[in-house]
Amino acid sequence: DQQVKQNSPSLSVQEGRISILNCDYTNSMFDYFLWYKKYPAEGPTFLISISSIKDKNEDGRFTVFLNKSAKHLSLHIVPSQPGDSAVYFCAASVTGSQGNLIFGKGTKLSVKP
Amino acid sequence: ETGVTQSPTHLIKTRGQQVTLRCSSQSGHNTVSWYQQALGQGPQFIFQYYREEENGRGNFPPRFSGLQFPNYSSELNVNALELDDSALYLCASSLGTSGSHNEQFFGPGTRLTVL
Repeated sequence: DQQVKQNSPSLSVQEGRISILNCDYTNSMFDYFLWYKKYPAEGPTFLISISSIKDKNEDGRFTVFLNKSAKHLSLHIVPSQPGDSAVYFCAASVTGSQGNLIFGKGTKLSVKP
Repeated sequence: ETGVTQSPTHLIKTRGQQVTLRCSSQSGHNTVSWYQQALGQGPQFIFQYYREEENGRGNFPPRFSGLQFPNYSSELNVNALELDDSALYLCASSLGTSGSHNEQFFGPGTRLTVL
């Protein structure tokens, strides 16, 4: 039973356009959400996070939106660049869960020049 | 400041054998978490060590065990290997415990193949 779902295995976007990656969750106890980016042969790299007390967090070209009532979050990348091509993982956690990050299966983003 | 490193990069074992995977945490990080990432899946939490003691565990059997050492290195041991243990094993270090949602820094992983 997947608690964090990324329903799109892949996404292809043109350079300069917006990339929108989506993530749904089922556990209402989750109070912290993260996005990680992973290149081949490397470990996941932290990108951006959001606490459940917020509905938006922005860092440069990356913005994460959280809709708690829909149990949905999304990562917006604008403008998209070829170097953004990677697998993006959504992860969620509960305060005090001792490092237990629950990951989705990932979405492979391809940004075409 | 050095990042998180893992060894070996790749490893092939046969069913029933035992394996030890190693991780060197980022300097100063007192917490290490281990994850298993099967093909096509996201990383799955195995356990976390904080100041050399197990501090939380995911849904993995006791044949998955770990150690954390004072020099920020750690080990993941898997006994009685099964074919389904074939996966990428990731370690992640952080400062403090998860209570404060400290950022976890991942190593590149060890690719384990069980034949």
